Amino acid sequence: GQNIDQPTEMTATEGAIVQINCTYQTSGFNGLFWYQQHAGEAPTFLSYNVLDGLEEKGRFSSFLSRSKGYSYLLLKELQMKDSASYLCAVMDSNYQLIWGAGTKLIIKP
Amino acid sequence: GAVVSQHPSWVICKSGTSVKIECRSLDFQATTMFWYRQFPKQSLMLMATSNEGSKATYEQGVEKDKFLINHASLTLSTLTVTSAHPEDSSFYICSAKTLGQDLSPLHFGNGTRLTVT
Repeated sequence: GQNIDQPTEMTATEGAIVQINCTYQTSGFNGLFWYQQHAGEAPTFLSYNVLDGLEEKGRFSSFLSRSKGYSYLLLKELQMKDSASYLCAVMDSNYQLIWGAGTKLIIKP
Repeated sequence: GAVVSQHPSWVICKSGTSVKIECRSLDFQATTMFWYRQFPKQSLMLMATSNEGSKATYEQGVEKDKFLINHASLTLSTLTVTSAHPEDSSFYICSAKTLGQDLSPLHFGNGTRLTVT
């Protein structure tokens, strides 16, 4: 079956760095997405990786290793507004998105 | 960028009534729309995929007669929750993409919080 695993919850301190991991097993692979979702709101797109390596976008970076079925989202210089759930989603061979359960990130002052 | 508008943002209805949720793509043609449901502290669950002008494809376990989806135009899809019950209370989110953009990120509506009393 298809499976996306990510930690349920993480806590970090304002100004620090946090890494949210995601491992996946899917039928084919057409890319991995990271979304941010604040409570009560719809997800917003953060990043897309289809090739191995690191994609940097401001304070956020996303890494992919296809051979290991592994990705991480790195958030630097954490701000209180970064408190949200972070969803990992993989697009399979049928271009369907398989969603992880999300990681709730709690930022403490 | 691509904008998806979803309406209403929240709705409260009585058990047994029907509720219609609209999802519009404002600045692009949405050849495919997806309807998701999300229960508290859970991830998105895909309910159905609809392509403009054809019948929706429902995920396993989703009752097509209860969750009616219409995608009659390239800019509008509707989800009607028929004979709603309290267990249908959830956060419903639509998303859309256009033809040839399979690898592009989904554009999400802002979601509809449905509460059935």
